[in-house]
Amino acid sequence: EAGVAQSPRYKIIEKRQSVAFWCNPISGHATLYWYQQILGQGPKLLIQFQNNGVVDDSQLPKDRFSAERLKGVDSTLKIQPAKLEDSAVYLCASSLAGRAAYEQFFGPGTRLTVL
Amino acid sequence: QQQVKQSPQSLIVQKGGISIINCAYENTAFDYFPWYQQFPGKGPALLIAIRPDVSEKKEGRFTISFNKSAKQFSLHIMDSQPGDSATYFCADGGKLIFGQGTELSVKP
Repeated sequence: EAGVAQSPRYKIIEKRQSVAFWCNPISGHATLYWYQQILGQGPKLLIQFQNNGVVDDSQLPKDRFSAERLKGVDSTLKIQPAKLEDSAVYLCASSLAGRAAYEQFFGPGTRLTVL
Repeated sequence: QQQVKQSPQSLIVQKGGISIINCAYENTAFDYFPWYQQFPGKGPALLIAIRPDVSEKKEGRFTISFNKSAKQFSLHIMDSQPGDSATYFCADGGKLIFGQGTELSVKP
């Protein structure tokens, strides 16, 4: 079974630029999550989708971050404009609908460096 | 926001020894108490999880112990191996609020 795919794996941008990350979840997984993991910390949930609807985006900085999941499969996370403090690894995870939240599978992440 | 506090931040264990990582939580309404393992350059992977009505769960060399009255749960890695060297996270099983992580290094 193929895992969660993410791209790019690495991205370096200047502050105030925009950036987008892409995630392809495990086939058949209806629930998709985006996390931000700052170096030395645990992942922090940014947004959760169930199919193409948002379940929880309470920790998403909506003034600069946006996410979408068209057709209930792939998802993109965008930052515009980026700040220095956005430097982190952005993780995507997915799980089967109806399974407990902790039973999710993570992708390898995208490491973002904002200069 | 509810907290999940993990200790120690880092741990060095000799091969064959026992690694113990602790997690304290605030909310008693969790459905599950999971532990995740993360290797450098990889995403976290679910290692083991326990329900709050169970005091202990063992899977191979990994054991979770749950102390409801103390609001703590811990991960024990028996016969620790160099391949266990990774960062371990506990989490709120419902909202997936993660602890700060424990970096484990197992020396040969």
